Amino acid sequence: GAVVSQHPSWVICKSGTSVKIECRSLDFQATTMFWYRQFPKQSLMLMATSNEGSKATYEQGVEKDKFLINHASLTLSTLTVTSAHPEDSSFYICSVPQGDTEAFFGQGTRLTVV
Amino acid sequence: GQNIDQPTEMTATEGAIVQINCTYQTSGFNGLFWYQQHAGEAPTFLSYNVLDGLEEKGRFSSFLSRSKGYSFLLLKELQMKDSASYLCAVSDSNYQLIWGAGTKLIIKP
Repeated sequence: GAVVSQHPSWVICKSGTSVKIECRSLDFQATTMFWYRQFPKQSLMLMATSNEGSKATYEQGVEKDKFLINHASLTLSTLTVTSAHPEDSSFYICSVPQGDTEAFFGQGTRLTVV
Repeated sequence: GQNIDQPTEMTATEGAIVQINCTYQTSGFNGLFWYQQHAGEAPTFLSYNVLDGLEEKGRFSSFLSRSKGYSFLLLKELQMKDSASYLCAVSDSNYQLIWGAGTKLIIKP
């Protein structure tokens, strides 16, 4: 069964609105979760590291005020895309590391901003 | 800078064997991962190598040479369902995953 649950699988929203994506670790507690973005035919790009109990760490070039991350508990991290624009349309994926040797991925969220 | 190189696309025949190469240059090394990603889906874990040599797991095997900064994923007895992108990723000195762009594998009957 799934180890990491990501919701929703796909979402269409209007420009200017906000979208929240949830990532839940089902089998184990996760102090760290990763959020990735993937544009068509491109590699996964790390956006930020979500840390339970502290602020997220954002990669260079990722606007922290636009992509709000909240690691509410040891099993839940949320990514909110605020004031979404068409260029934010992408595939967003969360992952939960287990030790140093494995990472479990959520199912991904296909965001389309119209 | 950090760099992962793998071929953009490969084509192989059902039932055959294919080898997907990955070369890397990273600041530190804490292991190399191979993931399979079908279109529109999240990656799924295939293998992890941290020591030199070949790791076999069913139809899939992965090889690592740390001195050469080189790995390959070997897929045997190819099936149509193996058509996917294969992503090479290296865990650097901070345990951050550095991703390759992926190799799109096309399987023909």
